[in-house]
Amino acid sequence: QVQLQESGPGLVKPSETLSLTCTVSGGSISNNYWSWIRQPPGKGLEWIGYIYYSGSTDYNPSLKSRVTISVDLSMNQFSLKLTSVTAADTAVYFCVLGWGYMDVWGMGTTVTVSS
Amino acid sequence: EIVLTQSPGTLSLSPGERATLSCRASQSVGSSYLAWYQQRPGQAPRLLIYGASSRATGIPDRFSGSGSGTDFTLTISRLEPEDFAVYYCQQYGSSPRTFGQGTKVEIK
Repeated sequence: QVQLQESGPGLVKPSETLSLTCTVSGGSISNNYWSWIRQPPGKGLEWIGYIYYSGSTDYNPSLKSRVTISVDLSMNQFSLKLTSVTAADTAVYFCVLGWGYMDVWGMGTTVTVSS
Repeated sequence: EIVLTQSPGTLSLSPGERATLSCRASQSVGSSYLAWYQQRPGQAPRLLIYGASSRATGIPDRFSGSGSGTDFTLTISRLEPEDFAVYYCQQYGSSPRTFGQGTKVEIK
């Protein structure tokens, strides 16, 4: 059974870059699609984007100018970078197996944007 | 972008009762690419239904999904205590993937 674990700083300053990594265990990152989804405090879910193991990506247009998702096959990891963050980017960030329906979710990591 | 509207916002029911949750799309969801998730407090969402009506692995058969086009329904036939949670629908027929705002099923 594939398991996902997010890691990265829990606090990011406004205007800086949020960087998170998702480590995949119990399975290979190859031949699959991987997504990032976020949830602001007390609110609903927002799809950020996905990456195929080959490197092809699709992003939410609302975030596209600030988002990069990348994959590291050797480490069995994929990553999220979100630039120029503001308080509106404060959320729980989930990494997920899937590009259509979201099959397996990480536990999520809370990122707060504050000075 | 396809906007998903879930109703009701909150459903107050007792254990053993039937729950019916609605998800309406602003335009047709291609190939019934509609999923449902359950989220308990402090936990990640869990996939319940995909393809509008297919149960995910390990999901009890009291959960069922139906619908096509723009109107979809999640039914929980008899509520168990662990079913009181927030439920989200999500479409994956087009990009960007979008979620409904959620329906909270609470104990009456």
